[in-house]
Amino acid sequence: GEKVEQHESTLSVREGDSAVINCTYTDTASSYFPWYKQEAGKSLHFVIDIRSNVDRKQSQRLTVLLDKKAKRFSLHITATQPEDSAIYFCAASYNRIFFGDGTQLVVKP
Amino acid sequence: GPKVLQIPSHQIIDMGQMVTLNCDPVSNHLYFYWYKQILGQQMEFLVNFYNGKVMEKSKLFKDQFSVERPDGSYFTLKIQPTALEDSAVYFCASSSQGTQDTQYFGPGTRLLVL
Repeated sequence: GEKVEQHESTLSVREGDSAVINCTYTDTASSYFPWYKQEAGKSLHFVIDIRSNVDRKQSQRLTVLLDKKAKRFSLHITATQPEDSAIYFCAASYNRIFFGDGTQLVVKP
Repeated sequence: GPKVLQIPSHQIIDMGQMVTLNCDPVSNHLYFYWYKQILGQQMEFLVNFYNGKVMEKSKLFKDQFSVERPDGSYFTLKIQPTALEDSAVYFCASSSQGTQDTQYFGPGTRLLVL
């Protein structure tokens, strides 16, 4: 089955800097790649997604890049703010969602 | 945004007992999911459900697990009997158009099996 790996288990940046979280997947059948954010003790909150028919999608400070050849996708957050601090999960989906292990993003004031 | 509700928020039960976790999905959604998360670790897929049937389930969805949504009411996950390793946070999610669509997650039910 699909295996999604998140390369950074933790990421610490200063407020205002950019943050990049990288993920890889294994199954070429995956065609939908959502990102979720989870704050401590809370549920998953949908952040942004990308489908395999495009290689880039931007929403305000968030950009997702998809490289289907390398089976790699990434989340870029610009102008980070302390409230961006959370665990970010990448995921890949064809008939079901497979989540990565999560990246703890810490934005220091 | 769309809201998924889960009842109860916490449940403590003795091993071997039955537990039912309830999910109130987004009103016009047709696809429903259960996930299991242990101690803030990876979110693991259990099952998805559409049109009254289980569409896909993982190895974690043991024989002791069952799901149903009788007459459009709550989407439920029943565990009978419970085991110690069932202790986790269970998240329900729903989507409008299947697994290639955005899933909206509920707040979770924290289950502790003693």
